[in-house]
Amino acid sequence: DQQVKQNSPSLSVQEGRISILNCDYTNSMFDYFLWYKKYPAEGPTFLISISSIKDKNEDGRFTVFLNKSAKHLSLHIVPSQPGDSAVYFCAASGRGSNYKLTFGKGTLLTVNP
Amino acid sequence: KAGVTQTPRYLIKTRGQQVTLSCSPISGHRSVSWYQQTPGQGLQFLFEYFSETQRNKGNFPGRFSGRQFSNSRSEMNVSTLELGDSALYLCASSRVAGASTDTQYFGPGTRLTVL
Repeated sequence: DQQVKQNSPSLSVQEGRISILNCDYTNSMFDYFLWYKKYPAEGPTFLISISSIKDKNEDGRFTVFLNKSAKHLSLHIVPSQPGDSAVYFCAASGRGSNYKLTFGKGTLLTVNP
Repeated sequence: KAGVTQTPRYLIKTRGQQVTLSCSPISGHRSVSWYQQTPGQGLQFLFEYFSETQRNKGNFPGRFSGRQFSNSRSEMNVSTLELGDSALYLCASSRVAGASTDTQYFGPGTRLTVL
């Protein structure tokens, strides 16, 4: 049973435009959500996070939106740059026994010059 | 501050053999988690160690085991290797265990190929 789902395996965007990566979760015990970026031959790098008490968190070009009622979060990258091309993983964790990170399968973002 | 290091970076083994992977966390980090990444399954949690004790375990068979040393360095071992064990094994460290908001920092991974 996949508790964190990234339904789009890949996304292609033009440089300068907005990239929107989506993530859905099923476990209502999750209360902390993160996005990681991964380049080939490297480990995932933490990008941005959001607590369930917020519905938006912004860090430079990256904004994460959380819709708790829909159990949905999204990562917006504006403007997209070729260096943003990577695999993006959505992850979630919760309190108690759910504290360990549960990852989605990732979305490959390609930003075309 | 040095990041998470993993050795070796690449490994080729044959079915039935066993393998040991090593992870050195960021200085001051006491929690180490291990993940398996495969193309079809994404990142799957193997186990977490804190203060030399296993704190949490994922849904993997007993062939997968680990340990943590007093300096927080960790090793994971896979015995009786199967073809399906071919994957990228990632180690992540964080300051504490059991805190959902404590960011995990990943190493570059060990690419294991089982022939």
